[in-house]
Amino acid sequence: QVQLVQSGAEVKKPGASVRLSCKASGYSFSDYAVNWVRQAPGQRPEWMGWINAGHGHTQYSQRFQGRVTITRDTSASTAYMELSSLRSEDTAIYYCARAPIVVIPSAMDHWGQGTLVTVSS
Amino acid sequence: DIQMTQSPSSLSASVGDRVTITCQASQDISNFLNWYQQKPGKAPKLLIYDASNLETGVPSRFSGSASGTDFTFTISSLQPEDIATYYCQQYHNVPYTFGQGTKLQIK
Repeated sequence: QVQLVQSGAEVKKPGASVRLSCKASGYSFSDYAVNWVRQAPGQRPEWMGWINAGHGHTQYSQRFQGRVTITRDTSASTAYMELSSLRSEDTAIYYCARAPIVVIPSAMDHWGQGTLVTVSS
Repeated sequence: DIQMTQSPSSLSASVGDRVTITCQASQDISNFLNWYQQKPGKAPKLLIYDASNLETGVPSRFSGSASGTDFTFTISSLQPEDIATYYCQQYHNVPYTFGQGTKLQIK
């Protein structure tokens, strides 16, 4: 069955960077996109960006431009999201989510369990 | 950015009721609209994709429809396990954006 397993919780100081991982199994990793979506407490989900796991093309939300980098390792069926210059407002649960590619990535049909990132001095 | 205006923000209904949630896009998004269910402490779960297509394995009491920039999500007969927050999401333009959510409770 399709599974996305994310790395564990992180606590970071303001100004630091965090790198999260998302290991996929149960499907052909390179045939799909992986999105990263975050959700602050009590807020709606916020889309950050996606990567075409096949050829590595990425697209990011302008809101995070320059601070977020999404990469993948096809040999390990794993996607990564690095967020730099962390501030307290980045405290949230970060999810990875798979999406079929129909010209562009479409609906996010399988999600990881989420990773809590806490930014605090 | 495309704004997704979802209403109501909360809703209380009885088991067996028909429940309707609406989402309005700030511009044309064709049918590039998905609906998700999120239970406390869990990741969102895809229910409806491309405005009206039921995701595999999702009960048929869930449905979606579209009319221009207005989208409707319906539960035909509310069940206790449907208690959750529901979100619409557009993927016509980057950044993909979500509605503010509808928290559904049992009366």
